[in-house]
Amino acid sequence: DGGITQSPKYLFRKEGQNVTLSCEQNLNHDAMYWYRQDPGQGLRLIYYSQIVNDFQKGDIAEGYSVSREKKESFPLTVTSAQKNPTAFYLCASQGLGQGDGYTFGSGTRLTVV
Amino acid sequence: AQKVTQAQTEISVVEKEDVTLDCVYETRDTTYYLFWYKQPPSGELVFLIRRNSFDEQNEISGRYSWNFQKSTSSFNFTITASQVVDSAVYFCALSEAYSGAGSYQLTFGKGTKLSVIP
Repeated sequence: DGGITQSPKYLFRKEGQNVTLSCEQNLNHDAMYWYRQDPGQGLRLIYYSQIVNDFQKGDIAEGYSVSREKKESFPLTVTSAQKNPTAFYLCASQGLGQGDGYTFGSGTRLTVV
Repeated sequence: AQKVTQAQTEISVVEKEDVTLDCVYETRDTTYYLFWYKQPPSGELVFLIRRNSFDEQNEISGRYSWNFQKSTSSFNFTITASQVVDSAVYFCALSEAYSGAGSYQLTFGKGTKLSVIP
């Protein structure tokens, strides 16, 4: 079955460490997105990519980095520069047809202690 | 710029009551798409419906119905005879015509948290 997979579901890291969240899709979608969600809050866009080897900053890119070396994969690294990294992270993918919605992964809950 | 407003932050209803979640949008385009997503406590956003700007017919799917009114720029979502399993955060989203950036990026509202009390 086609879908989008985020791993791990829960992640714990010590303060000051970089951590990479995985996002893989087999939907042959061109566009991929990373969102951050804090408790009781909406979705905030971190980074997005519309094509391999290209990506753009979203609204809250500081302290995060991404890569898009393969169409299927869009990993997000939360660096030590991110001041408040504890949050729920959602990855999404989208085809390029007009009216295509997003398909979301199940999310990764990152806790930094 | 496009914008989606979900003015209701949280709603609580007793099971079997009907509930309407409001969504108001702003866009300059004549061609656009509107979406509703459900986020249950597990976290994954689940697609519920898509509506394009040229189709103002109301949609009904079981206990769910959607009312799209271009005159008021609204796309409201009604759950009839609510159940505990309907408890979730619901997001409304808007996608305009091609922005030149290579994709039809969605703009999301801040979401409405619905709690259905048994």
